[in-house]
Amino acid sequence: SQELEQSPQSLIVQEGKNLTINCTSSKTLYGLYWYKQKYGEGLIFLMMLQKGGEEKSHEKITAKLDEKKQQSSLHITASQPSHAGIYLCGADNSAGKSTFGDGTTLTVKP
Amino acid sequence: GAGVSQSPSNKVTEKGKDVELRCDPISGHTALYWYRQSLGQGLEFLIYFQGNSAPDKSGLPSDRFSAERTGGSVSTLTIQRTQQEDSAVYLCASSFQGGRAEKFFGPGTRLTVL
Repeated sequence: SQELEQSPQSLIVQEGKNLTINCTSSKTLYGLYWYKQKYGEGLIFLMMLQKGGEEKSHEKITAKLDEKKQQSSLHITASQPSHAGIYLCGADNSAGKSTFGDGTTLTVKP
Repeated sequence: GAGVSQSPSNKVTEKGKDVELRCDPISGHTALYWYRQSLGQGLEFLIYFQGNSAPDKSGLPSDRFSAERTGGSVSTLTIQRTQQEDSAVYLCASSFQGGRAEKFFGPGTRLTVL
């Protein structure tokens, strides 16, 4: 199965600081997703990346896909308390089965 | 509504009882997924339905777990003889195709086994 490893597991940053979360796959990526989850709430779709070298941005969040390295990174610029939550990466295999990593818990201190 | 719905939102049951969790995907979505999320953990894949293909059941943790999808729409996840370790939030997601498509998640069913 597609194993996804996220790092770090948790992250505490001061408001205004930049941060990066990584997601590495043990197998070929056919589609890579980033979701955000606030405690006790549902999953919010952030973005989907499909091609190597692809980069997408949504407000202050940017995600990149390095297909060769089977890795994606999520970068938040000038973090705010509203960015706090659990960030989950997910990936498809060739059959469309989607699995997810264990998540990265982000705390932003005001 | 236009989103994925799940019922019940909360279910408390006694150890040994059977439970059924329901998922109504977005109309027209051919792919449907079930995941389990324990407190503070990521999403554990359970089962994946895509169109009329045989479901991928590789994530079901034991033979007490089963799922079906009727008419390519509504899905039911059944857990027989529930155990305390089955307590978790069960999430359903659907997408318009299997793979390379945004997954739309339901709000989940919180299952507590006493």
